[in-house]
Amino acid sequence: DTEVTQTPKHLVMGMTNKKSLKCEQHMGHRAMYWYKQKAKKPPELMFVYSYEKLSINESVPSRFSPECPNSSLLNLHLHALQPEDSALYLCASSQPGRGSGYGYTFGSGTRLTVV
Amino acid sequence: DAKTTQPPSMDCAEGRAANLPCNHSTISGNEYVYWYRQIHSQGPQYIIHGLKNNETNEMASLIITEDRKSSTLILPHATLRDTAVYYCIVRVAGAGNNRKLIWGLGTSLAVNP
Repeated sequence: DTEVTQTPKHLVMGMTNKKSLKCEQHMGHRAMYWYKQKAKKPPELMFVYSYEKLSINESVPSRFSPECPNSSLLNLHLHALQPEDSALYLCASSQPGRGSGYGYTFGSGTRLTVV
Repeated sequence: DAKTTQPPSMDCAEGRAANLPCNHSTISGNEYVYWYRQIHSQGPQYIIHGLKNNETNEMASLIITEDRKSSTLILPHATLRDTAVYYCIVRVAGAGNNRKLIWGLGTSLAVNP
């Protein structure tokens, strides 16, 4: 299995709602990532988990809360979002480590609309 | 951090080679160059990566200059399905096992029939 699976593919939520984005991979990768992508822009890194521990938080507002329950799963909990948070949210995974380069596998993303 | 610069758009005729340039003049010696592409509203797809030597796989070739300040992605026989945004990325070194990807703004490649 060489895929990263994200659910749901589309999500519309109100500013007072609580929702979660889910990401799953079964490639044995021990690093997982959340990215946010606005239209016509490259993806922006939000969070990195390495061996199930949060290793990078790119100063993301607390209304985004990541969780890594195990080595295959990554969640992004959303609460009290703003309309400007509407974007494509991408999950990725890779094998962490020094030395030779490792590829990053991306999911197809969740298209989030905040109303 | 290393920074990449790419032309915003390019055109290519179907069946011809597409050569996509990238400038990464501030790259450090242990930082890899990656290329990904993104077809409309899908997740980025890995194409190829390299450190110093030229690389080739079933999708493309990557030519890195000797001083490593620039690189070119070559799609040898472009098809309509290669129409996408192509990102040149530098994977920067970080503490421990952390490695961050520094993305360029991308080149929107249009392959024309």
